[in-house]
Amino acid sequence: KQEVTQIPAALSVPEGENLVLNCSFTDSAIYNLQWFRQDPGKGLTSLLLIQSSQREQTSGRLNASLDKSSGRSTLYIAASQPGDSATYLCAVNTGNQFYFGTGTSLTVIP
Amino acid sequence: DADVTQTPRNRITKTGKRIMLECSQTKGHDRMYWYRQDPGLGLQLIYYSFDVKDINKGEISDGYSVSRQAQAKFSLSLESAIPNQTALYFCATSDPETRDIHGYTFGSGTRLTVV
Repeated sequence: KQEVTQIPAALSVPEGENLVLNCSFTDSAIYNLQWFRQDPGKGLTSLLLIQSSQREQTSGRLNASLDKSSGRSTLYIAASQPGDSATYLCAVNTGNQFYFGTGTSLTVIP
Repeated sequence: DADVTQTPRNRITKTGKRIMLECSQTKGHDRMYWYRQDPGLGLQLIYYSFDVKDINKGEISDGYSVSRQAQAKFSLSLESAIPNQTALYFCATSDPETRDIHGYTFGSGTRLTVV
């Protein structure tokens, strides 16, 4: 069974700082990997999806990378803002389903 | 209107009651999923469906059943609710052929409390 781990579980940074969130997975046979944002008590908002053949994907201040052979993905957030405060979830698609990590709770301090 | 709509948004029910959670989508996706989210455990897959005639169990299907009434509708039922089914439930859709950066769309969730 695919296992997805996100480290750290929680992170606090001052506004304006660049930061990296980490995701690791145990089985490199993946279809794609997706990063989501979840605000407290709310649904999941898709941020970026990386296909297994890609190494990175960018959207605005966000950049996600994928190293399938080592089972790792990172989400880079540039120039963090208080509005970025949320839980960030990584999900790995094996073809039939997504396996989710437990998330990193990010707080950006004004 | 949201792409994926879940009803109800919140529900409190008693142990032993039957309850249905509904999901409808306007994405035109064939694949639909039901997940539950518990604090500290992440999201776990309950059931998934790749088309109207294709229903599959996920990791934690015991105590749940589903119905795919149409391409756009996928309902989750708890036949006899128990307190440890208290959780946040999400419906999601996907299109495996998409090359869009957003491949997987979630509803806003149903918060279910079983007392």
